Amino acid sequence: DAGVIQSPRHEVTEMGQEVTLRCKPISGHDYLFWYRQTMMRGLELLIYFNNNVPIDDSGMPEDRFSAKMPNASFSTLKIQPSEPRDSAVYFCASSFSLGDYTFGSGTRLTVV
Amino acid sequence: AQSVTQPDIHITVSEGASLELRCNYSYGATPYLFWYVQSPGQGLQLLLKYFSGDTLVQGIKGFEAEFKRSQSSFNLRKPSVHWSDAAEYFCAVGALVSAGTYKYIFGTGTRLKVLA
Repeated sequence: DAGVIQSPRHEVTEMGQEVTLRCKPISGHDYLFWYRQTMMRGLELLIYFNNNVPIDDSGMPEDRFSAKMPNASFSTLKIQPSEPRDSAVYFCASSFSLGDYTFGSGTRLTVV
Repeated sequence: AQSVTQPDIHITVSEGASLELRCNYSYGATPYLFWYVQSPGQGLQLLLKYFSGDTLVQGIKGFEAEFKRSQSSFNLRKPSVHWSDAAEYFCAVGALVSAGTYKYIFGTGTRLKVLA
């Protein structure tokens, strides 16, 4: 298995633009998590899914953030409109039930 | 509320020296505990985990950690550090949110620097 795949690896966008981050979890994993990592806040859980259903989105900072998981092999995190304070590394991770998380390599987002 | 504290933001050790990274947690029940390592520009990699049983757990890359319930701690140790161990280390607790469902709460990380 190729692991958790995130795209793009780097994204630079202008303030106000829509940004879409993508994640392909490991096949067979039933949980998918989106985290944001910044120097100030560390690793923050934004949202997680179980069997494609959003379970807890209390970490989503604002209505500008949305996440979907249309099927077991794909999830997106969208920011619209983006702001400079959204600049961070966004990680996707997946796991099987109580198993360990496997993290993707992250998407480094810069909003200018 | 569940929380994880890593009191040391930065640690510097010489290559070959021993290492201990501290982690304290706050959780009402028996926790699931993890240590992850993050190399620059990379995602997080699992080093080891504690679910139950033996309180001293062995992980990859020569790391071990000891769960001490009385101290609410899960410190990471390595007897002899290698230059390649320079990275950021995260402690995490798996918090039960419903039957069979957990979410991880991460500490703020400890950045390890290794001197040649």
